[in-house]
This record gives sequence, structure tokens and C-alpha cells, in this order.
Amino acid sequence: AQSVTQPDIHITVSEGASLELRCNYSYGATPYLFWYVQSPGQGLQLLLKYFSGDTLVQGIKGFEAEFKRSQSSFNLRKPSVHWSDAAEYFCAVGSGGSYIPTFGRGTSLIVHP
Amino acid sequence: DSGVTQTPKHLITATGQRVTLRCSPRSGDLSVYWYQQSLDQGLQFLIQYYNGEERAKGNILERFSAQQFPDLHSELNLSSLELGDSALYFCASSVSGRGTYNEQFFGPGTRLTVL
Repeated sequence: AQSVTQPDIHITVSEGASLELRCNYSYGATPYLFWYVQSPGQGLQLLLKYFSGDTLVQGIKGFEAEFKRSQSSFNLRKPSVHWSDAAEYFCAVGSGGSYIPTFGRGTSLIVHP
Repeated sequence: DSGVTQTPKHLITATGQRVTLRCSPRSGDLSVYWYQQSLDQGLQFLIQYYNGEERAKGNILERFSAQQFPDLHSELNLSSLELGDSALYFCASSVSGRGTYNEQFFGPGTRLTVL
């Protein structure tokens, strides 16, 4: 069965600083990989996804993620964080014929002014 | 605003009771998914319905059931409630949900508190 690990429960960055959120997955074949964001009181919103092809994926809100098969990782990055990026971020993996994501436990991003 | 609506926003009830959560998908979406988000388990997929029929099942307890009606809205029924059922319940919808990938759009959730 597939699984996702987000090693960092909380990440604190200063506004304007760069950001990298870590995600490691466990799955035998090439997985479908997702990053979602959950703002307070909101549902989840898809930031980006990877199915195949170019391993560097661009998403909404200036986010990007890179699929590294050798490291079983799909880390999320942003070059300059804005205060409005403070939220909970979830990495997720789907597999086989199922696009229903299995979610990691999430990383809470705190942005200091 | 994702276009997915969920009612009620908050629900407080007692152990042993039964509640019904409602979800209206985005216009034109045929698939509805239910998820449970709790501190213990994180975000877990419960069940998917596609055009009125159960399509996929996740970690849904036998005390829980769902259905999708002809107008495509869905209800999640939770019975014999326990303290551990306290959680945020999300509904998501997608255009299809068979074969090819379609993005899921999430509603704002229903927060259930069992006392």
C-alpha cells in the first residue's frame, strides 16, 4: 500500500524567505503525487500534481515541486513566501487506477513578518 | 469558493446519537468523495459515489454510511456516535472519477463534535 511521510509538523519562515516542504512517499511503481493547501476554515485546494513527464512541476500561487524517484521525494518549494501562504500543506499520493489521494499528516507553515 | 457546499458547518451531539451531513457538489460534477480529518488519523478517505453508485471505499466504519441522490447531492450518515468520531468531515466533488484524472474540489467541511 502507498504511504506518504511529511517529516516536518511545523515550519516557520520569515516573509520573503524561500520555502521547502518535504514529502517522501512509499510506492512500488510511479505514483501520482499531489500537493494541497488548506487555509484556516477552508477546504483543501490543489496546488499542483505530478503524473509523468517533466519532474519539475509548476503549480498555482508560485509553488513548484520536484519529483525525485531516486529519493522517493516530492518536495514543495517557493522562492519567496508571502504572509498569505501561512496554512497547512498536505502531500498526497495516488496509485494504479485510483486517483484518490492518500494524504500525509500535513505540515503547518507559519510565516513571520 | 470551490462551488462545493456542505451543511451544517458545525454539529454538536452526544454519544450514541445519529447525524446526517449533507454535500452538494459543483454543478456538473458526477462524483462525490467523503473524507474525515482528525488529529489522530489525519485526513482519511471514506467513500466515493459516482452518479448515484458507490465507486470506491476507504476506511469507512460500518456505523457510517453514505448515499448519492438523483440530483447528485450526497449525505453521510454517522450512527452510534463515539467520542472518537469528533472530526472535520470534508466532501469533495469531481467531474468524473472513472478512468482518467479529474481534479477534486473540496467543500469547507462540517465540524462534528461528539460530547
